[in-house]
Amino acid sequence: LAKTTQPISMDSYEGQEVNITCSHNNIATNDYITWYQQFPSQGPRFIIQGYKTKVTNEVASLFIPADRKSSTLSLPRVSLSDTAVYYCLVGSFSGGYNKLIFGAGTRLAVHP
Amino acid sequence: DGGITQSPKYLFRKEGQNVTLSCEQNLNHDAMYWYRQDPGQGLRLIYYSQIVNDFQKGDIAEGYSVSREKKESFPLTVTSAQKNPTAFYLCASSIVGDEQYFGPGTRLTVT
Repeated sequence: LAKTTQPISMDSYEGQEVNITCSHNNIATNDYITWYQQFPSQGPRFIIQGYKTKVTNEVASLFIPADRKSSTLSLPRVSLSDTAVYYCLVGSFSGGYNKLIFGAGTRLAVHP
Repeated sequence: DGGITQSPKYLFRKEGQNVTLSCEQNLNHDAMYWYRQDPGQGLRLIYYSQIVNDFQKGDIAEGYSVSREKKESFPLTVTSAQKNPTAFYLCASSIVGDEQYFGPGTRLTVT
């Protein structure tokens, strides 16, 4: 399974766009990229998932370059409630099981 | 109202006692998972199950046991053999090949 590297922490201000980049140099052909958000003392919540190029949903965008060795989670116009830990994961569904490996994540602090 | 429930939210035990954490889901998911999270760390996989009556060890299964007798239930027992059981335990479920949905977690403290 591919290991991911992401910044330990980031700071931003309300209304700004936040981009969190994740490095996954040894991503395999069948691997997809998933991002989760976790608030203190709660379970992680799925944000977005993609395989290549760009994926967008109602809360975020995920940019994946052609070589897929990195990905960037983009949160538009963050608010105080976006303060959380964000995890980048790489995994595959081979064998019917989507095993995920969580790193330490990126602690995002949004300031007024 | 579909989702995953874990009980209790907080659990306190004396060292040397076994303790069972409950996880129930009504999402009709085949796959279920147990993770452990220590302060400031990511999640580590303890056990997972893709189907009833079958489960596999994750990365840190020593000192833990599970059962999967029903599709909606995946209880985790923390045994006295687990050296550092105090942690935040998270249960998740998924459709095989899809995103995982997490429960609210159980914070276990062993003294």
